Amino acid sequence: GIQVEQSPPDLILQEGANSTLRCNFSDSVNNLQWFHQNPWGQLINLFYIPSGTKQNGRLSATTVATERYSLLYISSSQTTDSGVYFCAGGSQGNLIFGKGTKLSVKP
Amino acid sequence: AAGVIQSPRHLIKEKRETATLKCYPIPRHDTVYWYQQGPGQDPQFLISFYEKMQSDKGSIPDRFSAQQFSDYHSELNMSSLELGDSALYFCASRFQGAVGANVLTFGAGSRLTVL
Repeated sequence: GIQVEQSPPDLILQEGANSTLRCNFSDSVNNLQWFHQNPWGQLINLFYIPSGTKQNGRLSATTVATERYSLLYISSSQTTDSGVYFCAGGSQGNLIFGKGTKLSVKP
Repeated sequence: AAGVIQSPRHLIKEKRETATLKCYPIPRHDTVYWYQQGPGQDPQFLISFYEKMQSDKGSIPDRFSAQQFSDYHSELNMSSLELGDSALYFCASRFQGAVGANVLTFGAGSRLTVL
């Protein structure tokens, strides 16, 4: 099955800093989503991005489908950005999740 | 906008008991997915249904069963509960016929604790 690798596994930032999270896939996927899991456990969909670039406020994402990776950019980080960021993808509808990047933003 | 509704949000059971989780997908969504997320783990796909028929199966234990009803809501039944079943259970839904149909929308999850 498809393997999803995320890096880095842990990230500590000072408020206001920028960061880049990476997601690599072992095989082609036709659906790719980035999620933020908040401290209460809710999975918030950030982007549906099987290819190309999208932006939403301080967040943006880029997927290079031919090279099987995706990047999530967080600019001017805030303490509320803390939590776990998951990328997930698949080719048959259901999503395979990576292990996540645990982000801690310090004030 | 309506979201995926899961109930109950929290559930505490004893070992060997049974539990039932319910999921109400977004209106007009025809496909439902169940995921299990253990403490500190990533969500693992359990099972999915399309138009009330099982469409795919993941790492769902034999003690678990699920179905999708005529109104498209789904239930996950778990029997002979074990301590290791303590987890956050997510339901997700999508409508296969829409543009961007591959977007899965997740519910808030049901947290099961087995004592």
